[in-house]
Amino acid sequence: KAGVTQTPRYLIKTRGQQVTLSCSPISGHRSVSWYQQTPGQGLQFLFEYFSETQRNKGNFPGRFSGRQFSNSRSEMNVSTLELGDSALYLCASSFSSGSKNTQYFGPGTRLTVL
Amino acid sequence: DQQVKQNSPSLSVQEGRISILNCDYTNSMFDYFLWYKKYPAEGPTFLISISSIKDKNEDGRFTVFLNKSAKHLSLHIVPSQPGDSAVYFCAAEGGGSYIPTFGRGTSLIVHP
Repeated sequence: KAGVTQTPRYLIKTRGQQVTLSCSPISGHRSVSWYQQTPGQGLQFLFEYFSETQRNKGNFPGRFSGRQFSNSRSEMNVSTLELGDSALYLCASSFSSGSKNTQYFGPGTRLTVL
Repeated sequence: DQQVKQNSPSLSVQEGRISILNCDYTNSMFDYFLWYKKYPAEGPTFLISISSIKDKNEDGRFTVFLNKSAKHLSLHIVPSQPGDSAVYFCAAEGGGSYIPTFGRGTSLIVHP
């Protein structure tokens, strides 16, 4: 089975711009979660989508949004980029939603905001 | 406030010896704990988990110990190998949420 794929792998943007990141989950997985990883901060949960519905949302401003399509692919959008948004954005998929569902992570998209 | 803490940012171990990575949590409602390993330029990979009804779970060279009264868990790697060099994240679920809360990670370096 192919793993979780994320595109693009690297992205450079300037402050004020917006960006869209894409995630294709493992075939058959219906839950997609997004995380932000910054140096020294670990993984911070952004949101989770299951069957095209946002199930959970982390403590991030409204500039961060996402959606999931009927084929379970997911996109994350960040508007009005700030320098502090520079981070590794990780997508994880799991077969179902709920506790004890092992998440499988993609390689991440490295976003740099100048 | 950090609910899951990995107080050692880095750990250096000789090949063949034991590596012990520690993790503390504050939320007594957490009931499921996971360890992930992350190599540079790759996403985290699930390593091993433990439910709060157990105090030990073993998978090959990897063993996770859970001390609920101390709100502490540890990952033991025996014997350590250079390929184990990576960042290890501890995560916890529970307390009404199944979204894992991650620690900040410990960078393990295993010297040949």
